[in-house]
Amino acid sequence: GQSLEQPSEVTAVEGAIVQINCTYQTSGFYGLSWYQQHDGGAPTFLSYNALDGLEETGRFSSFLSRSDSYGYLLLQELQMKDSASYFCAVPYSSASKIIFGSGTRLSIRP
Amino acid sequence: GAVVSQHPSRVICKSGTSVKIECRSLDFQATTMFWYRQFPKKSLMLMATSNEGSKATYEQGVEKDKFLINHASLTLSTLTVTSAHPEDSSFYICSVARTDLGETQYFGPGTRLLVL
Repeated sequence: GQSLEQPSEVTAVEGAIVQINCTYQTSGFYGLSWYQQHDGGAPTFLSYNALDGLEETGRFSSFLSRSDSYGYLLLQELQMKDSASYFCAVPYSSASKIIFGSGTRLSIRP
Repeated sequence: GAVVSQHPSRVICKSGTSVKIECRSLDFQATTMFWYRQFPKKSLMLMATSNEGSKATYEQGVEKDKFLINHASLTLSTLTVTSAHPEDSSFYICSVARTDLGETQYFGPGTRLLVL
């Protein structure tokens, strides 16, 4: 089966850097995605890593190591609006289905 | 990306009634849409895959007779919660998959269902 593990909560200070880790177990691997969800809202796509290495998009970066079944989301120059839940996710079939991790709630304090 | 809408955004109904939720892909013809359910402070759980012109594929443990899915066109999928009960109260979210954009899914704004 498929499973993803990520910390349930992370707290950081405004302006700082935070890393949210995700380890996964899948039968067949297509890539690792990250989604952001604010309270009461829908998830929004942040990044997708199909290959090893670091992908950078503005203040957010995502890293993947397929040999370690591990990835992380790095958020820099944290802003209060970054307070949200972050989910890692993996596709698990050719039908484009994805399974989500349990989510990491990021709280940012001034 | 893809722009996805859902209607209604919130619905309150009495126990035993049926509720229909619409999911529209506004700028992309979607042969496949997905329906998720999310309980407070929990992750998104995939309920079913909606396939245009054919039957939906349900995940294990999801009652297909209770959660009726119809995908009549490339831009519209509907989820009907039949004979709703308080335990069906949840946040229902649909998504569209853009495989041409690397297995990315784009989500609708969600529908919050409260069954009294």
